[in-house]
Amino acid sequence: KAGVTQTPRYLIKTRGQQVTLSCSPISGHRSVSWYQQTPGQGLQFLFEYFSETQRNKGNFPGRFSGRQFSNSRSEMNVSTLELGDSALYLCASSLETAGEQFFGPGTRLTVL
Amino acid sequence: KNEVEQSPQNLTAQEGEFITINCSYSVGISALHWLQQHPGGGIVSLFMLSSGKKKHGRLIATINIQEKHSSLHITASHPRDSAVYICAVGSNYKLTFGKGTLLTVNP
Repeated sequence: KAGVTQTPRYLIKTRGQQVTLSCSPISGHRSVSWYQQTPGQGLQFLFEYFSETQRNKGNFPGRFSGRQFSNSRSEMNVSTLELGDSALYLCASSLETAGEQFFGPGTRLTVL
Repeated sequence: KNEVEQSPQNLTAQEGEFITINCSYSVGISALHWLQQHPGGGIVSLFMLSSGKKKHGRLIATINIQEKHSSLHITASHPRDSAVYICAVGSNYKLTFGKGTLLTVNP
């Protein structure tokens, strides 16, 4: 079975731009979660989707949004990028609610 | 105070040593996860547990729900075990993470 894939793997943007990141979960997994990892804050939860419904959202500004499609693929969007948004963005999928998480390789976003 | 506290933050060991990493949490949880991240690498799930003890090879994870505490043990440590180990607690479809423990095992 293919693992969780994320595209793109690396991205460089400038302040004020917006970005869309994509995540394809393991086949059959319906739950997709997104996380931000920075050296200062470590790993932080962004949001979780299950069957196209967002079930929880972390403490991030409204510039961070996401969605999930009927095939369980998910996207997250960050608008009006700030320097502090530079981070590794990880998605993870799981087969069941609150189940074991399988992480993708991440998208490294650099905001200049 | 963070909801998930890990100790120690850094740990250096000699090959073959027995290693323990601790995790304490302050919220109600549905499950606790232990994750491994190699430098520049992705994150791998080692264990998910909600009670008792689990063992995979040289790794053992335990959890005490009443004391809100979990430990990750590595027996007969090896340089390839060098990585960051992260404790995370799950509740309400959300994971909350500890800051991680950087483990270095020297040959």
